[in-house]
Amino acid sequence: RKEVEQDPGPFNVPEGATVAFNCTYSNSASQSFFWYRQDCRKEPKLLMSVYSSGNEDGRFTAQLNRASQYISLLIRDSKLSDSATYLCVVNTNAGKSTFGDGTTLTVKP
Amino acid sequence: DAGITQSPRHKVTETGTPVTLRCHQTENHRYMYWYRQDPGHGLRLIHYSYGVKDTDKGEVSDGYSVSRSKTEDFLLTLESATSSQTSVYFCAISGGGPTMNTEAFFGQGTRLTVV
Repeated sequence: RKEVEQDPGPFNVPEGATVAFNCTYSNSASQSFFWYRQDCRKEPKLLMSVYSSGNEDGRFTAQLNRASQYISLLIRDSKLSDSATYLCVVNTNAGKSTFGDGTTLTVKP
Repeated sequence: DAGITQSPRHKVTETGTPVTLRCHQTENHRYMYWYRQDPGHGLRLIHYSYGVKDTDKGEVSDGYSVSRSKTEDFLLTLESATSSQTSVYFCAISGGGPTMNTEAFFGQGTRLTVV
């Protein structure tokens, strides 16, 4: 079993839809959590950190459930420009990062 | 942007030749990683380092070796390149900042073609 597992996808949604991605992690001592976005043939870049109380950045909402060891990303009112691969990342308290395989989102007109 | 650079950015090499890719950081992050990414696939960890001269294997380490003689440099070597190693290679760093637990940063990638 992988340390970090994501919904396999792909997700194909129409513009304006709401879409949610889930990610589970196996190390209960994990300390920090993030969502990254990767555009085709480019390096992944930080989309948002995930805080224990949940956090929102515009149309994006991230949630953390430590008891069940999963994090989620909700995208509201999807735009064509949201089409990308979304990766969850989990850090140990020493700063070691483990990446999920990513979930591909395609938003269609 | 974090100070992480990869070199070269593009390389074409022949089967059987040795190839070394370099990752250089100016951020003093503890961890450094080498990933490969193939079309339609996620990132696959090749090797990572948790300090000078401290390295460990990832899920696809066969055919690759690494070295980290300084905090800022992490080298990936293909001892004898094969066509199956044609890929995009990403270097990443993590474990920095006052808590040593900031997010990871990626280099821009190296596109390697083995012919």
